[in-house]
Amino acid sequence: DAKTTQPPSMDCAEGRAANLPCNHSTISGNEYVYWYRQIHSQGPQYIIHGLKNNETNEMASLIITEDRKSSTLILPHATLRDTAVYYCIVRVLLIDSSNTGKLIFGQGTTLQVKP
Amino acid sequence: DAGVTQSPTHLIKTRGQQVTLRCSPISGHKSVSWYQQVLGQGPQFIFQYYEKEERGRGNFPDRFSARQFPNYSSELNVNALLLGDSALYLCASSPDRGEGQPQHFGDGTRLSIL
Repeated sequence: DAKTTQPPSMDCAEGRAANLPCNHSTISGNEYVYWYRQIHSQGPQYIIHGLKNNETNEMASLIITEDRKSSTLILPHATLRDTAVYYCIVRVLLIDSSNTGKLIFGQGTTLQVKP
Repeated sequence: DAGVTQSPTHLIKTRGQQVTLRCSPISGHKSVSWYQQVLGQGPQFIFQYYEKEERGRGNFPDRFSARQFPNYSSELNVNALLLGDSALYLCASSPDRGEGQPQHFGDGTRLSIL
């Protein structure tokens, strides 16, 4: 499984966009990029995932570089409730008898949204 | 729709005891995975079950075991508890083992060993 590198912490002003970077330079062609977040005392919450195209949903946007070696999670208008640890994870595309599709979590980025 | 539910939410045990943690996946999800999260670290993979069979195991001792029932719910058992087993135990479910399906987590069982 590819490893990811994220900054340990970031601050963002409330109402501004939060841009969380992730480096995954060893990603394979059969691996997706997933983002989860974990608010204190809760389980990780799925945010978004993508393979090679940019993706957007009601929570966030995911920008993946053309070479797929890095990505950025964008929270367009951060609120205080977005304060959490954000995890960037790479995971195999197709889960079959040869793999479990397990998620390998790193230390993540602690995002602090400030008033 | 109900999310992944885990019980109990909190548990206190002493060293040497045994514990059973329970997980109910999202309706229609056939795959259940278990993770251990110690304070200050990201979750670590313990087991994955799919269609009632173990499909993967992380680097955990044999004191850890699990099973999945016909209704796809799951139990995690830990024997001979150690102080180091104190952690948040998370269960995650996904629809199947197909392409790109994300795992969805419950809020976990916080286990404290005295």
